[in-house]
Amino acid sequence: GAGVSQSPSNKVTEKGKDVELRCDPISGHTALYWYRQSLGQGLEFLIYFQGNSAPDKSGLPSDRFSAERTGGSVSTLTIQRTQQEDSAVYLCASSSRGLPGNTIYFGEGSWLTVV
Amino acid sequence: GQQVMQIPQYQHVQEGEDFTTYCNSSTTLSNIQWYKQRPGGHPVFLIQLVKSGEVKKQKRLTFQFGEAKKNSSLHITATQTTDVGTYFCAGGSIYNQGGKLIFGQGTELSVKP
Repeated sequence: GAGVSQSPSNKVTEKGKDVELRCDPISGHTALYWYRQSLGQGLEFLIYFQGNSAPDKSGLPSDRFSAERTGGSVSTLTIQRTQQEDSAVYLCASSSRGLPGNTIYFGEGSWLTVV
Repeated sequence: GQQVMQIPQYQHVQEGEDFTTYCNSSTTLSNIQWYKQRPGGHPVFLIQLVKSGEVKKQKRLTFQFGEAKKNSSLHITATQTTDVGTYFCAGGSIYNQGGKLIFGQGTELSVKP
């Protein structure tokens, strides 16, 4: 597509439920990133995909968080047994080849609220 | 691990005044990128600097990359209300897989008309 597309744009869920967030990167981009932004905070790196593999998942905060990418395109970030501290904006981004210096383009984010 | 610090956290200016935000990395960077995030929006790419001592200008915005490639600054001349938002620097390193960027905490700019 023309830009990075994310869904849902807003999600309110009850504590303890699982949620799935979807990202559709820019067509042809091999690198895909997930970041998290808590209210009034900077962007926290979660995971990076190159194709379907995740060479760097160092930012995933706990084993409740997982992500996958299929077909070298769409990615899903799954949060199991959500907690209130998971409330944040989850931003997906992509770049053409994932090389240092490649511009990273962000989607509009999925706003997650855990009540 | 790599850390990127950005100051100030907030800046309130009168329209027409200048604004500067500063970024410092704990490690030498291969590149630095700057993003702007409007209230309620997502980060939008502004510019990338890769060379030691590099200076780039976009209209009223001037971006600098330090000689040691560990610091950077963004200066806005004669701010306008359209400049409102949060400005993030993000550092890349050859040691980061996949061109991963480490973001500073951002500087939130408000402009009083």
